[in-house]
Amino acid sequence: EVHLVESGGGLVRPEESLRLSCAVSGISVGGNYMSWVRQAPGKGLEWVSFMYSGGDTYYADSVEGRFTLSRDISKNTVDLQMNSLRVDDTAVYYCARGPNWDSWGQGTLVTVSS
Amino acid sequence: QSALTQPASVSGSPGQSITISCTGTSSDVGRYDYVSWYQQHPGKAPKLMIYDVSLRPSGVSNRFSGSKSGNTASLSISGLQTEDEADYYCRSHSSSGSVYVFGTGTKVTVL
Repeated sequence: EVHLVESGGGLVRPEESLRLSCAVSGISVGGNYMSWVRQAPGKGLEWVSFMYSGGDTYYADSVEGRFTLSRDISKNTVDLQMNSLRVDDTAVYYCARGPNWDSWGQGTLVTVSS
Repeated sequence: QSALTQPASVSGSPGQSITISCTGTSSDVGRYDYVSWYQQHPGKAPKLMIYDVSLRPSGVSNRFSGSKSGNTASLSISGLQTEDEADYYCRSHSSSGSVYVFGTGTKVTVL
């Protein structure tokens, strides 16, 4: 059974940084397509970033140049480094597995506020 | 990149059937057979209900079905049950701007 657990969320000020981590069990992050999806309070879903099993990464225009997706195969984690955070980055951040996002974590809340 | 258009709300009585539409363009829904649907209960993570327009993951009730015609995809729920009350989002691949584009979301209410 695939299990995803996000961590690292919290309250930060604008322009600060935060690193989210997604601990994965049941599959290898090295052999799977992994994504981050976010949801602002009371709003819909927004795709943030994904990494192919081969390691290529893609980003939504809204985070391109500020967020970096990486993985640690030895720890079986997928991390999202978020720099220059903005108020509108406030959201629950989910990691999800596969091209169809068939498994999701419970999410971690990131709040950006002065 | 504009979001896909979904009705804000759809309602039905237990046992009835409902359909949720997801309208995009020839750059997303109309171009790819990669439309997925997600169910989200309040405070919970989304759950995959349909992928590749009409395929159901293991464990998802066959009361849920998906289809597509032109630039519009649809999710149908038959035999509506109280546990189907949730928000539903469609997602499509896109050749314009963002790799993925989401629908605006539909709140399903079981009367």
